[in-house]
This record gives sequence, C-alpha cells and structure tokens, in this order.
Amino acid sequence: QQPVQSPQAVILREGEDAVINCSSSKALYSVHWYRQKHGEAPVFLMILLKGGEQKGHDKISASFNEKKQQSSLYLTASQLSYSGTYFCGTPTGGNTGKLIFGQGTTLQVKP
Amino acid sequence: DTAVSQTPKYLVTQMGNDKSIKCEQNLGHDTMYWYKQDSKKFLKIMFSYNNKELIINETVPNRFSPKSPDKAHLNLHINSLELGDSAVYFCASSLGMGAVTQYFGPGTRLLVL
Repeated sequence: QQPVQSPQAVILREGEDAVINCSSSKALYSVHWYRQKHGEAPVFLMILLKGGEQKGHDKISASFNEKKQQSSLYLTASQLSYSGTYFCGTPTGGNTGKLIFGQGTTLQVKP
Repeated sequence: DTAVSQTPKYLVTQMGNDKSIKCEQNLGHDTMYWYKQDSKKFLKIMFSYNNKELIINETVPNRFSPKSPDKAHLNLHINSLELGDSAVYFCASSLGMGAVTQYFGPGTRLLVL
C-alpha cells in the first residue's frame, strides 16, 4: 500500500538534473510531494490531482500518470538548497486527509 | 509568526514514564494530525482530528492518546513509554480533509532511555 520511491538516494553536483519516481500498486487519485531538510519538518511542494497533470515551481516540476499509477518529480539545474529528503504521499481511506508516504529519496547536491 | 508549533522540541525520558506533547496552529485550520517518523525517516500517520472529532485512528498502541480541546490544538499523551517509542513526532494541520496541503510543525524529538 505504501508507494515506492526510486532511487533511494541521489548525489548530484550543482547544476545537474535529477528525477525522483513514485509508484503505487493501487489506483492513484492524487499525489503529494514534500521535501524535508535535515532536522526540519517536511514542507509541501505540490499536489497533482489529475492524470496527465504537470506542475512546476521554479525549477522543480512534477508529472502524474494516472494510468501507470506513478508520479515523477523533476529537479532541473539543482541548487545546494535542493538537498534533503523528498517524499511522495498518496491519499487513502476516503476523504479523510490520510496520506501514506513513500520511504523517501535522499538528494544531496554538492558544490 | 509560527504557523504550527509544538512543545517541547526535545524530550528525553526514562522507560515507563508518561509524557505529553502539545501542538498548536494559528492558521485557522480545522484538521490536525499526528505523525511518527522513525530513525529510517519513515513518516507514518497516527491520528487526525477534524473540528475536535477523531477521524483517523491508526493501529497504534493504546498507550497513545490524542486529545483535541479545540480545533487549534491537538495534544498527544503517551503512557508507559517504551524504547521503541523513540522517534520524531510531527504535528500537522490542513484546511479541510482530502487532497489538501498539510503544514507540519517543527517536530518533537523523543528519546526513551
């Protein structure tokens, strides 16, 4: 039931790109992305509500393929500030706000 | 202006003790949550309340008891603490339920010795 993220960890140089994938064995109705920096709280990045939807903020964007039950997070021209652990969350349990998070992908951006 | 705040930030205690963690949000949200994050960073929902009503009650030991005195506050009381309770506990809030943004508090780092 827990979504599966890949890769588990990524090390990049500043300016490089990365893709983080999130897939589910169950039907997905929305996908939530959060970033957690070391020692801090998870911070909301974006929600994708519809299959085929793509969203972006600055150089971080995401896509949602409802049929394939997966979402991808794209980090373009990564900056040092992008370092952290990225979580995808998928809702379950009806309209309760219950999110099941993936195991996380740790991204480290080096100068 | 802190949106979601938790106290205490750190909690070190002995096995068998009882402790409470408090959470407050000033966002005007009506839904609040407790999450547990273990040492492997796995983030798991424990409870949620909507307008003081218990909505999500995951399979957690009944030593854990949430309480929401009003929609801006959600506390977590833990009885008879065990070593395995050591984790970071996050409070979160949202406006409504469903596919909405959840805002997390800074976390309470609990260490049971």
